[in-house]
Amino acid sequence: EDQVTQSPEALRLQEGESSSLNCSYTVSGLRGLFWYRQDPGKGPEFLFTLYSAGEEKEKERLKATLTKKESFLHITAPKPEDSATYLCAVQELNDYKLSFGAGTTVTVRA
Amino acid sequence: EAGVVQSPRYKIIEKKQPVAFWCNPISGHNTLYWYRQNLGQGPELLIRYENEEAVDDSQLPKDRFSAERLKGVDSTLKIQPAELGDSAVYLCASRGQPNEQFFGPGTRLTVL
Repeated sequence: EDQVTQSPEALRLQEGESSSLNCSYTVSGLRGLFWYRQDPGKGPEFLFTLYSAGEEKEKERLKATLTKKESFLHITAPKPEDSATYLCAVQELNDYKLSFGAGTTVTVRA
Repeated sequence: EAGVVQSPRYKIIEKKQPVAFWCNPISGHNTLYWYRQNLGQGPELLIRYENEEAVDDSQLPKDRFSAERLKGVDSTLKIQPAELGDSAVYLCASRGQPNEQFFGPGTRLTVL
């Protein structure tokens, strides 16, 4: 049973066209939910950690939010340099490993 | 601050050959992870170290994979013999405070 499901698989946006990525998760107890950005040929780059429902974090054009069942990554007025695969991962209370979703590949056209 | 260092970046071998990957974590990070990432998928944990102790190796295929972290700093992951299905990107990560995992650039393995 998948713990983390990300949608959509791929997202094509026009520059300036805001959108949201979804991460649904199933865990018995959540220690933290993580968002990473991954560029082709590179390792995942840490973006945010969210710990409790209602928490929000922002970085430039990105804003991550968390509920008890899902997290959203909002991209406001994206630029071509925001094109990447965005990975979501959960960490359970009794463990420090990260369980990742398959990612959402975002392409922003100028 | 230097990030997680991995080498080599790319490796091409024939099946049944051995291969080894090296990782040096961020200075001061006691927790080190090895993940494997298949194309179009998220990373999957292979093994986690706390200092020099492997505290979670339940996902490591022990018939052909081995890992070590002598002196609790850098680590080596080995595959012997390699199979076609081992082609993937092998990622090393280390954990800092409060609870952030930082990844290296990965080693892309191709088994022919």
